[in-house]
This record gives sequence, structure tokens and C-alpha cells, in this order.
Amino acid sequence: ETGVTQSPTHLIKTRGQQVTLRCSSQSGHNTVSWYQQALGQGPQFIFQYYREEENGRGNFPPRFSGLQFPNYSSELNVNALELDDSALYLCASSAGQTNTEAFFGQGTRLTVV
Amino acid sequence: AQSVTQLGSHVSVSEGALVLLRCNYSSSVPPYLFWYVQYPNQGLQLLLKYTTGATLVKGINGFEAEFKKSETSFHLTKPSAHMSDAAEYFCAVSPATKAAGNKLTFGGGTRVLVKP
Repeated sequence: ETGVTQSPTHLIKTRGQQVTLRCSSQSGHNTVSWYQQALGQGPQFIFQYYREEENGRGNFPPRFSGLQFPNYSSELNVNALELDDSALYLCASSAGQTNTEAFFGQGTRLTVV
Repeated sequence: AQSVTQLGSHVSVSEGALVLLRCNYSSSVPPYLFWYVQYPNQGLQLLLKYTTGATLVKGINGFEAEFKKSETSFHLTKPSAHMSDAAEYFCAVSPATKAAGNKLTFGGGTRVLVKP
């Protein structure tokens, strides 16, 4: 059984660019959530996907968008990058919306310069 | 809206001493409660969770936490700290309703330093 994997592990982008982060959910998990963790802070919920549909969104602007594929892997897209978007982006998968245990990937460290 | 407050952004303990990390939450109804640990450059690992039933919850690595509804608290303890416990710890809550799913609201974290 493979865990949650995220790619890339690190990347550097320039302000105004667009970025796509990827997440492969744990085998058998159909729910993926994305979180942003700024330096020195706790993770903040961005949005959740359940069976390819968005199932809830946190307080993030529309330039943060996502996608979930039929194999339940997921992408997080951020347009028009700002310096404040620099953070660790975490993906978590779970076996259904009501399952209380979410398994986290190691994260993608995004630096915007 | 739910919120989580962790008292103390940094805690220093001696090896073998008690570890106590404080967490208070704000929620209109009792939520599900979680403690996660994060080691440097890694994701989050679940230590323990409270959903229903016994209010004293035991987790991995010798940690336990007690849900106190009257105090809206879920403090994490470990009787004897090990060097390997040095990490950042996050308390989190999620709505205890089916429709809400397992969307987590985290506290700001407490970094634990263990002194030899």
C-alpha cells in the first residue's frame, strides 16, 4: 500500500506565474484535501475534492483552483502567483468524506520570488 | 466557525520529564479533535483523535489526550519525553457532521524542544 505522494517537493516561481502541484492519494482513498502552511503557522484548509467534485472550500481566492481525476489523484493550480503564496502545500487523502483519518503527504515547498 | 488555540508556540522539556501541550477550541457544537505531529521537512502524522466515547484517548508514541467539554480543551500529554519527541505539534478540529466531511482547522502549532 503506497502512501500519499506529492510532486514536486520543491519549486521556485516568479511573481505572476502559474503553478501546478500534484498529489497521488493513498490506495483506496477517494477524498483529497489541500492545505497551505505558511512558515511558522498551522496549515489552512484550501479545498477538498470528493469523487472528482469540489466538496468545500476555505477562505482562498479563485486563483486557487483544483481538480481531481478518475483515479482520485489531484492537482492544485495557483494563478498569478504572489509573494505571500510562498508556503508548504500539503495534500491529505482519506477513505470517504466522513472518515476521520486523513493521511498527509510530505508537501511541496513553493517559493515565489 | 471553528477555531483552535494552542497556548505556547514553543515548549522546552528535559528528557524524561512530562510533556504537556495545551489546546483549546471554539465551536458551536463539540467537534472531532485531533493531534498531529510534524517533523522537519515532512508532512503531518496523526498522533491521536477523539470522535466519540471515552474522553481519554491514547495515541502512538506514548501520547494521550483528554477531551474536556466543559473546558473546551484537548490537552496532549506524555509522561516521559524522549529526544525523538522533538517536533512541531498541531491540534486540529473538524465538524462532527457527515456533510462537513473531514475538513480540518488547525491551531498555530507548538514546537517542542527536548533537552538532554
